[in-house]
Order: sequence, then structure tokens, then C-alpha cells
Amino acid sequence: AQSVTQLDSQVPVFEEAPVELRCNYSSSVSVYLFWYVQYPNQGLQLLLKYLSGSTLVKGINGFEAEFNKSQTSFHLRKPSVHISDTAEYFCATTSQGAQKLVFGQGTRLTINP
Amino acid sequence: DTGVSQNPRHKITKRGQNVTFRCDPISEHNRLYWYRQTLGQGPEFLTYFQNEAQLEKSRLLSDRFSAERPKGSFSTLEIQRTEQGDSAMYLCASSSPRGGWTGELFFGEGSRLTVL
Repeated sequence: AQSVTQLDSQVPVFEEAPVELRCNYSSSVSVYLFWYVQYPNQGLQLLLKYLSGSTLVKGINGFEAEFNKSQTSFHLRKPSVHISDTAEYFCATTSQGAQKLVFGQGTRLTINP
Repeated sequence: DTGVSQNPRHKITKRGQNVTFRCDPISEHNRLYWYRQTLGQGPEFLTYFQNEAQLEKSRLLSDRFSAERPKGSFSTLEIQRTEQGDSAMYLCASSSPRGGWTGELFFGEGSRLTVL
């Protein structure tokens, strides 16, 4: 069965510092990988996705993620965070033909001034 | 901007009562999903519809839960004889297969259920 593991439940960083949120996936078939973000009191929205092709995926708000098949990882990065990036971030996976997303437990990103 | 709309946003009920949540998807989306999110956890899949057909149900969806999408537009999720363990955020999402399945779901803000 597909699954994703987010290795950090909380990540505190200072404003303008770089950040990496870690995600490892488990699947025996081709996977699609996603990062969703949930800002306070808002619905989840797609940050970026990997379906195929280039392993470096760029998303909204300056975020990017790299698909690493050998390490079964899809870590999310941003070189310089802002206060507005404070949110919960969810890694998710599905496979071709499947209809449901399987989410990780989430990582709460807190930005300190 | 007509995104996914969910009502009510908050519901407090006593154990044993029935509750119903409504979801209005983005109008041109023919797929509609229900997820449940408990504190400190990621969303868990409950069920999904393509038009009016309910195509998949999770084992999480016990007999007390029923979801409908009678006309292929809005959907309702009813929980009968609520239990304290049903307390959670119920999320609705929609998508369109146009252009192929990309996995992108558009989520509503959720309906928070508290069972006392």
C-alpha cells in the first residue's frame, strides 16, 4: 500500500532562513507526489506536484521539491522563508489510475521574526 | 471566485444525534471527495463520487456514515448516532479529469464536528 512519512511534525525557523521539510514515500508502483499547504483557517491548496519528467519541481510561493527515487524522498525546500509561509504542509501520494490521495501527518512550519 | 463551499463550518452536537454536512463543489468538476482530518493528522480518504456514482468507499466509512450526490452536483455526508470519536474536520474536495488525472484536488475550508 502507498504511504508517505513526514519526518518532522514541527519545524521552527527564523525569517529569511532556508527551510527543508522532509517526506519519504513507500510504493511499489509508479508514484505521483504532491505537497499541499494549509494556511490558518483556510482549505488545503496545492503547492506543487511531481507526475513525471524533471525531478526538480517548482511550485508556488518560491517552493520547490526534488523527487529522489533511490532515496524514495520528495523533500520540500525554500531558500528564504517569510512570516506568511507559516502553515501546515502535507506531503501526499497517489498512483496512476488511483483516485484517492494518501496524505502524511503534516509538518507545522513556524516562522520566527 | 466560486471555490468549494462547505456548510456548516462548525457543528457541535450531543452523542447519539445525527448530523449532516453539505458540500458544493466547483461547478464544472465532476469528481467529489470526502476526507476526514483529526487533530495532528493528515486528511484520510473517506469516499469519492464521479458525477452521481459513489465509486469508492474507505473502510473508515462505517455503517453510520452515508454520503450522497443525487444530481451529480452538491453532496451530503450524514453521520448517524454520532460518537465522540467522530469529532474531526470533514473536508470536501473536487476535481476535474479534463486534461487527464493530475491528482490536484480543490479543497473546501472544512466542516468541524464536535461531539459532546
